[in-house]
Amino acid sequence: DAGVIQSPRHEVTEMGQEVTLRCKPISGHNSLFWYRQTMMRGLELLIYFNNNVPIDDSGMPEDRFSAKMPNASFSTLKIQPSEPRDSAVYFCASTPVGGPANVLTFGAGSRLTVL
Amino acid sequence: SQQGEEDPQALSIQEGENATMNCSYKTSINNLQWYRQNSGRGLVHLILIRSNEREKHSGRLRVTLDTSKKSSSLLITASRAADTASYFCATDVGGGSNYKLTFGKGTLLTVNP
Repeated sequence: DAGVIQSPRHEVTEMGQEVTLRCKPISGHNSLFWYRQTMMRGLELLIYFNNNVPIDDSGMPEDRFSAKMPNASFSTLKIQPSEPRDSAVYFCASTPVGGPANVLTFGAGSRLTVL
Repeated sequence: SQQGEEDPQALSIQEGENATMNCSYKTSINNLQWYRQNSGRGLVHLILIRSNEREKHSGRLRVTLDTSKKSSSLLITASRAADTASYFCATDVGGGSNYKLTFGKGTLLTVNP
C-alpha cells in the first residue's frame, strides 16, 4: 500500500485565495482525520470522519474552513478565503474503525504558506 | 488546551546513550501512544500502551504508564544518530465512535554521532 497520500506537498498562495488540500486514505481505512501543525499550537485535530460522515468538527477554526469526504478514498480540506495565520502544515491520517485502538497512519503533510 | 505535554521540550545526547522523554496528561485515558516525526515528514506510530498496562517494550523502546500520576515515559536505549526526531505522546480519551486522539507538542531529540 502506498500509505496516506496528500497533495499538494507545498502550497504558497496569497491572502484571500482559496486553498484546497487533498487526501487519499489507506484502502480499507474508514476513519479519516485532518490535523494542523504549527510551532505555537502543536498538532490540532480539525475534523474527523467515520465511514465518510463527519463526526466531530469542533476543531475547525472558522467558517472559512470546510472539509468533505465524498467517498471512502478521497477527502478535501478547503480554506476560503485564506489568511496568513492559516500558514501551517496540514496532515491527513487514517485508521480502520475498530482497528488497534485508533493507531493513526499519517500522510507526509501539505505545507501551506499564505502571504 | 493540550491534553498531553512532553518534557523536556528538547534533549541532546551522544550516540549510545539512553534518552528518556516524559508525558503528562490531564484526564482519564483509554490508551496512550507515542509517535515519532522526522523533520519534514508525517508522524509515525511507535508504540501503544493501554490504561491497564504499566510497561511495554518494543525493540529499543520501553514505555511506562502511571495512571495514578497521569504520566508516561518513553525510553530509547543505545540511541543512534538516526533516532534524531521529534517524539510525541498522544492520549486517546474517546470511546466507541467518539474518537479523540490528542497530541502534545513533542520533545525534539538530537543524537550526536
